[in-house]
Amino acid sequence: DIVMTQSPDSLAVSLGERATINCKSSQSLLYSSNNKNYLAWYQQKPGQPPKLLIYWASTRESGVPDRISGSGSGTDFILTISSLQAEDVAVYYCQQYYSTPYTFGQGTKLEIK
Amino acid sequence: QVQLVQSGAEVKKPGASVKVSCKVSGYTLTELSMHWVRQAPGKGLEWMGGYDPEDGETVYSQNFQGRVTMTEDTSTDTAYMELSNLRSEDTAVYYCASGPFHILSFAYWGHGTLVTVSS
Repeated sequence: DIVMTQSPDSLAVSLGERATINCKSSQSLLYSSNNKNYLAWYQQKPGQPPKLLIYWASTRESGVPDRISGSGSGTDFILTISSLQAEDVAVYYCQQYYSTPYTFGQGTKLEIK
Repeated sequence: QVQLVQSGAEVKKPGASVKVSCKVSGYTLTELSMHWVRQAPGKGLEWMGGYDPEDGETVYSQNFQGRVTMTEDTSTDTAYMELSNLRSEDTAVYYCASGPFHILSFAYWGHGTLVTVSS
């Protein structure tokens, strides 16, 4: 199974500042035949289902604000929120869909400092 | 607009089975890759199984092998997840999650079904 490890486990950032969440996979998520990284990011707020933010490691889902971006390739990935807003307080998960089982990272809790 | 509407909360005794439904609207089931994800209270997300486009069949996590069955009724665009031999550790919110095949990730989620296992 591919193990997904996020860092940090929790993060406190001031409003308007940058938040960065890291995700590392135990094997490459880059599929050579199409040059795509099979990595997604989700945001989950209390009492709600997760919401897809980013897929193919860097493609923003429709409706997601452009202050949220994804980058990285292979085994190392980053979710960046360029200017933190109050509504960004949530738990963030990365997930690989390169091979089953489609594993998630443990989650990173983002709070306001 | 795609919606996934799940069945209501369940309370089960240890050893029993539970079957959760997920009704799709806005898409047909055949256009989506359907999966099931669970979340124990205060914990992270755990993939249980779903459609693997590489194999063209439903694949289950080894953590649930032999206890979980996922089925689809394309005539009603409803997916089902049945978990048997329930134990207290199965207490969780169960989500159906899906996405169109061209993105594979889970763009659409049900609201979740709380399954409580208690004697």
